[in-house]
Amino acid sequence: KNEVEQSPQNLTAQEGEFITINCSYSVGISALHWLQQHPGGGIVSLFMLSSGKKKHGRLIATINIQEKHSSLHITASHPRDSAVYICAVRAQKLVFGQGTRLTINP
Amino acid sequence: NAGVTQTPKFQVLKTGQSMTLQCAQDMNHNSMYWYRQDPGMGLRLIYYSASEGTTDKGEVPNGYNVSRLNKREFSLRLESAAPSQTSVYFCASSEAAGGRGSYGYTFGSGTRLTVV
Repeated sequence: KNEVEQSPQNLTAQEGEFITINCSYSVGISALHWLQQHPGGGIVSLFMLSSGKKKHGRLIATINIQEKHSSLHITASHPRDSAVYICAVRAQKLVFGQGTRLTINP
Repeated sequence: NAGVTQTPKFQVLKTGQSMTLQCAQDMNHNSMYWYRQDPGMGLRLIYYSASEGTTDKGEVPNGYNVSRLNKREFSLRLESAAPSQTSVYFCASSEAAGGRGSYGYTFGSGTRLTVV
């Protein structure tokens, strides 16, 4: 079993929909990262959080340390949000999930 | 623009050839990393350098060597390339080890390597 599990693996939605991507992990962590990988391959760090909730524009990330679970939400989704979203947890090392491929259709 | 610069972006090697992937960051970060990304798998750490002058193995170090030339530069060398090393390679940096710091990790744009 992977230490970091993301769901869903693939998600297709219509423009404007509210998107939720989930990340569950099985190890004790000191922080969790959400990353975005563009279709061209570049990786951008979206959030780093160790508790509670963070918001940046239309993106919101939450984490529940007790439940070992984090969610990434996108409000008013747009085709430019189409990307692979990767969850990574910092334990003794950084462990990455396999990513969620999000496609937003116009 | 400030960030992590990787070269080359694409490379095709024959089995047994050697090459060095270059990485430089201009954010005064202490820690640097090399990852590989393969289809269906998460990013996997090859080597990292927590600070200038130190390097350590990650999950998948076999077949690779690294050099932390100075605070800015961290290179990855394949001494004798194998088809199993066909992958996309990412360099990353952070203010401190483990992604600590205000902005977590900053990634380079990747190197797509094919070994035939």
